[in-house]
Amino acid sequence: AAGVIQSPRHLIKEKRETATLKCYPIPRHDTVYWYQQGPGQDPQFLISFYEKMQSDKGSIPDRFSAQQFSDYHSELNMSSLELGDSALYFCASSLGRTGWTDTQYFGPGTRLTVL
Amino acid sequence: AQRVTQPEKLLSVFKGAPVELKCNYSYSGSPELFWYVQYSRQRLQLLLRHISRESIKGFTADLNKGETSFHLKKPFAQEEDSAMYYCALFRGGFGNEKLTFGTGTRLTIIP
Repeated sequence: AAGVIQSPRHLIKEKRETATLKCYPIPRHDTVYWYQQGPGQDPQFLISFYEKMQSDKGSIPDRFSAQQFSDYHSELNMSSLELGDSALYFCASSLGRTGWTDTQYFGPGTRLTVL
Repeated sequence: AQRVTQPEKLLSVFKGAPVELKCNYSYSGSPELFWYVQYSRQRLQLLLRHISRESIKGFTADLNKGETSFHLKKPFAQEEDSAMYYCALFRGGFGNEKLTFGTGTRLTIIP
């Protein structure tokens, strides 16, 4: 079965540069979530989208922005990168709001390293 | 605000011995609880969710609302169970569809 696809898998940037991470949800999934997992830390929720609208927002820095497109894929844009942004960024997708408890399926993550 | 606590960062168990990974939560509503597993260098994978009451890879977890716990158990540990385990709470409602994770427990099975 198709899973959540994230690209790139690895990304190396320098401080103050910009990065764009992409997430392609499981077919027919209309909700996308972004999580950030720092080294040795648990995943922290950043932001989510349902039907191209932002549905929830967590501890996402102002330097980051995200959007969901008409084909439901999502992009996380990160500007003015800092060393502390180095982390594994997970995307997850779920199938809308049937009962609020749709299981989130995670992608493999994008490992961002800021030098 | 909701919170998930996994008191053990590291847990080592001999192969064939029983395993219990503890998870406690704090949330005033009716939560959905999940266990996710992360094998080395792999994605987070759903292990089980409390509403399905199913057993995956021999693991079970029972939601105890009185003790606000959702401990993960397996009667006989296997070497392939070595991984990072995250307990997570889902709080529903518009604008609240996110998972809150515990800090994780790294389980190591000793051959």
